[in-house]
Amino acid sequence: DAGVTQSPTHLIKTRGQQVTLRCSPKSGHDTVSWYQQALGQGPQFIFQYYEEEERQRGNFPDRFSGHQFPNYSSELNVNALLLGDSALYLCASSLAGKGSNTEAFFGQGTRLTVV
Amino acid sequence: GEDVEQSLFLSVREGDSSVINCTYTDSSSTYLYWYKQEPGAGLQLLTYIFSNMDMKQDQRLTVLLNKKDKHLSLRIADTQTGDSAIYFCAESGDYKLSFGAGTTVTVRA
Repeated sequence: DAGVTQSPTHLIKTRGQQVTLRCSPKSGHDTVSWYQQALGQGPQFIFQYYEEEERQRGNFPDRFSGHQFPNYSSELNVNALLLGDSALYLCASSLAGKGSNTEAFFGQGTRLTVV
Repeated sequence: GEDVEQSLFLSVREGDSSVINCTYTDSSSTYLYWYKQEPGAGLQLLTYIFSNMDMKQDQRLTVLLNKKDKHLSLRIADTQTGDSAIYFCAESGDYKLSFGAGTTVTVRA
């Protein structure tokens, strides 16, 4: 049973560019959340997708957008990259209807470096 | 709002017990979680406790919850070198998890 898979594992981008990160949820899960983890900090919630719609959003600018596909996989897009966007981006999957993120499973993350 | 706080560092001798403490502010949290993160890796769910419970034990892990004081702790019995990692406490909101900054646990021989 594959867990949560994210791609790519590492990425280097230049300031001003755009990036797309991908996530496939754990089998049987239908909800995907994205988190940003800056160095030395805990993960910060970006947004959650369920039924192909953004269900809740954290305190992130509109440069951060996402999408969920019919097979429940998800993409995170970041436009106009800033140096401060350098972080580990984590995807978490869970089963909907519980609201409280019971047993949210995380992927290994994508390490984004903006230069 | 949510604000989860943890001590930043803990050093423990191999074989001893480790206790990691956490305080949270959202009294409506339904679940509280402990995650482990090893260098360069994602988050591994260790255990979670429902807010109407006081204690949960799972092999070497014991979680204590004091809902009145909004205090959560994780005890690791017989700490091993493989337990060296960053441990995150998290509280659940409606749809999101709010994390502390993490406690770095170093196990010394």
